Amino acid sequence: GESVGLHLPTLSVQEGDNSIINCAYSNSASDYFIWYKQESGKGPQFIIDIRSNMDKRQGQRVTVLLNKTVKHLSLQIAATQPGDSAVYFCAENMSTGGSYIPTFGRGTSLIVHP
Amino acid sequence: EPEVTQTPSHQVTQMGQEVILRCVPISNHLYFYWYRQILGQKVEFLVSFYNNEISEKSEIFDDQFSVERPDGSNFTLKIRSTKLEDSAMYFCASSEARTQNQPQHFGDGTRLSIL
Repeated sequence: GESVGLHLPTLSVQEGDNSIINCAYSNSASDYFIWYKQESGKGPQFIIDIRSNMDKRQGQRVTVLLNKTVKHLSLQIAATQPGDSAVYFCAENMSTGGSYIPTFGRGTSLIVHP
Repeated sequence: EPEVTQTPSHQVTQMGQEVILRCVPISNHLYFYWYRQILGQKVEFLVSFYNNEISEKSEIFDDQFSVERPDGSNFTLKIRSTKLEDSAMYFCASSEARTQNQPQHFGDGTRLSIL
C-alpha cells in the first residue's frame, strides 16, 4: 500500500546549526502536507503545512519544501535550539473525494546538543 | 491559547472491561477526531466526527469502538470490551473546519494500558 515515511530515524545536531528533516510520500494524489512536532508525553503539535500548489512555505525559523516530482517533503529548522528536541513527523492528506484524513509517517527524532 | 484537553492521562483497565476516554475539544471547533499511537509506531486515524455523526472511520474502528458527543463540550471514545492490543496512546484532535488549511489541534493523549 502507499505510505508516508522518513529517511532518517534520528538526527543529532549542535545548538545553533540548521536541521533538515526529510519525508518521502508515495501517494501522488496527496495535496496537503503537514509537519508535526511531538515532545515526550505530549500530543502532536502543528508546525507548518503546505499545499501541493506550492513548493515552499516559511514560518518562524521553519521552512517546508515540497518536491512533487520526486514526492519529497522536507522541514528545515534554522538555528536549532535545545527546545527543538522532539520527534518530527510529516502527514499527508488527500482531499479529493472529500476525505481529510491524514496519513502519518513514523517520525524522526531530533536531538539538539547544547 | 485554547487547547484540547484529555482525561484521564493514564487509564489502566482489565482485559474485557469497558473504558471511556474523554476529550474536551477547542470550543469553536466543529470537527473532532480520535487517533491512536501504539508505542514506537505511527499515529493512526480512528474516526472523525461532525454534526453529531461519524464522518469517516478507519478499519481499526470496529464494532467495539464508539464515539459520542454527550453535551456541548465533551467528546468521548468508548471501547466496549478491551483487548491487550488496545494498549496505546489515544489522541483526540479538533479542527475549526475541514478544509485543507485548517490543521488539527491535538490533546496530550490518554495512555491506555490493558492488563
